[in-house]
Amino acid sequence: GIQVEQSPPDLILQEGANSTLRCNFSDSVNNLQWFHQNPWGQLINLFYIPSGTKQNGRLSATTVATERYSLLYISSSQTTDSGVYFCAVGDYNAGNNRKLIWGLGTSLAVNP
Amino acid sequence: DAGVTQSPTHLIKTRGQQVTLRCSPISGHKSVSWYQQVLGQGPQFIFQYYEKEERGRGNFPDRFSARQFPNYSSELNVNALLLGDSALYLCASSLWGQNTEAFFGQGTRLTVV
Repeated sequence: GIQVEQSPPDLILQEGANSTLRCNFSDSVNNLQWFHQNPWGQLINLFYIPSGTKQNGRLSATTVATERYSLLYISSSQTTDSGVYFCAVGDYNAGNNRKLIWGLGTSLAVNP
Repeated sequence: DAGVTQSPTHLIKTRGQQVTLRCSPISGHKSVSWYQQVLGQGPQFIFQYYEKEERGRGNFPDRFSARQFPNYSSELNVNALLLGDSALYLCASSLWGQNTEAFFGQGTRLTVV
């Protein structure tokens, strides 16, 4: 099955710094989502981005499907950005199965 | 509009007991999926339902079962609980199809003692 690798596993930033999170996947995908999981476990949708580039405020994401990677950019980080960032992909070969395959996440801590 | 709602939010059970978790999808969404997330890991797929039929099953034992109701809400049942079943259980709601976005509830945190 598809493998999803995220890097770095852990990241510590000072407030105001910028960062780039990476997600590599091992095969063609028909769906890619970025999530932020807060300390209470809630998964917050950041981007649905199977290809191309999107921006939402201080966050932006780029997926290069042909090269099997996606990047999440966080600019001017704030303490509220702390948490775990997950990349999840849908398996292209699984037909209409909406199974998402997840990486292990990047744990981000933003210090004031 | 209400998002995906799950109940209960927290639950403590004893080994060997049975548990039922509930999920209501976003209005208009007919597909519900269940995931298990243990500490330090990404969520793992358990089941997917669409139009009351099971459309996908992950690598979980038969102690895990689920169903979807005519109003598209869903229940996840786990029998003969083990300590290793302690986890955050997440429900996802989506439209049907390959290229659709999944939205998650706040999860049910199950502790088995």
